[in-house]
Amino acid sequence: EPEVTQTPSHQVTQMGQEVILRCVPISNHLYFYWYRQILGQKVEFLVSFYNNEISEKSEIFDDQFSVERPDGSNFTLKIRSTKLEDSAMYFCASTRISGGANSGANVLTFGAGSRLTVL
Amino acid sequence: SQQGEEDPQALSIQEGENATMNCSYKTSINNLQWYRQNSGRGLVHLILIRSNEREKHSGRLRVTLDTSKKSSSLLITASRAADTASYFCATDPYNFNKFYFGSGTKLNVKP
Repeated sequence: EPEVTQTPSHQVTQMGQEVILRCVPISNHLYFYWYRQILGQKVEFLVSFYNNEISEKSEIFDDQFSVERPDGSNFTLKIRSTKLEDSAMYFCASTRISGGANSGANVLTFGAGSRLTVL
Repeated sequence: SQQGEEDPQALSIQEGENATMNCSYKTSINNLQWYRQNSGRGLVHLILIRSNEREKHSGRLRVTLDTSKKSSSLLITASRAADTASYFCATDPYNFNKFYFGSGTKLNVKP
């Protein structure tokens, strides 16, 4: 079964430091997503990415956040200057078909998540 | 917020009983999906129902969709202790490349 892999599984950082979370989506998937989940709370959409550019982003995804696909396999989320409230689980997900497609086949495959703790 | 919202927030039942969770959403959608999350893990897709479908079954799962009320329900029949997890509905608004999740229903199935 193809998997979405995320690294690191857990990162502890000091407030104000930069963090990069990495994801390797499923190889034939074209649409990539980052979500975050503050402990025990809702799963919040951050950003979607297609064809090497952002297609949608939420109000959470401000100038502190950026995404890129540097080498055709990795998909990264960078937080430039972390804040205490950035502490959360960050999930990467991918799908072969767009979230807006009326195909019934746009099922998300999630990674296991990266837990970020900001001290 | 355009996110789906599940209720109840928490549900505790005995093994063998049925568990019903509900989801309400606000926008027009292409389809609605249910996902499961074991504690501290990623979400796993369970079942998808298209906007032109009213009911769908998969094993012990039954999903209904009422687009006029913008609501869905997930029924797990003959629950097992291994069904203990959080369950989330996800919606994808037309023409937007994103999926909205709610806060989830935390299901505890007691052996």
